[in-house]
Amino acid sequence: QKEVEQNSGPLSVPEGAIASLNCTYSDRGSQSFFWYRQYSGKSPELIMFIYSNGDKEDGRFTAQLNKASQYVSLLIRDSQPSDSATYLCAVNRGPGEAAGNKLTFGGGTRVLVKP
Amino acid sequence: DTGVSQDPRHKITKRGQNVTFRCDPISEHNRLYWYRQTLGQGPEFLTYFQNEAQLEKSRLLSDRFSAERPKGSFSTLEIQRTEQGDSAMYLCASSWGPLDYGYTFGSGTRLTVV
Repeated sequence: QKEVEQNSGPLSVPEGAIASLNCTYSDRGSQSFFWYRQYSGKSPELIMFIYSNGDKEDGRFTAQLNKASQYVSLLIRDSQPSDSATYLCAVNRGPGEAAGNKLTFGGGTRVLVKP
Repeated sequence: DTGVSQDPRHKITKRGQNVTFRCDPISEHNRLYWYRQTLGQGPEFLTYFQNEAQLEKSRLLSDRFSAERPKGSFSTLEIQRTEQGDSAMYLCASSWGPLDYGYTFGSGTRLTVV
């Protein structure tokens, strides 16, 4: 079992719809969760991070965390063609100095937003 | 330039040759990370520095790989006796303090071993 699992996709959504991305992780000690967006040929860029169970909203993005189910998701509202990219889920045993400092990434979900 | 810089952007080398990559982190960042990413996969952790000290090294990092960060500034990643399996994007990232807020990646160095 991989430490962080994501459906590779592609997830095809029409413009203006909600894209829903899922991520599961195996390490129950994980406490910090990150979503990165990666355009083809580019490096990952941080979209959001979440530590607490529940929802966290930032603009059109909402991250949802359920530690009991070891599940984190990302919703993209009003999807735009420019949202077409690979979305990487990453986890860490953080937060804080005692966390260790490596992120463990999933394989990513490719999202295609069709006009 | 306020971002993480990596050089070169692309490197093509023959199998068996040595290569060295450089990473210049964001100037106030004391932590520096190297990751490797192959096509269709997420980045895999290679190693991590806090200032000049290399604090963690992945089991993925064979003896052919070595990384340094002299004086806690820029870092180099050297691969000796390259193999075709080393072909990947090598990503550098930096952060300040704990990993609470994620970190910033550089543009990466794409290595192709022929």
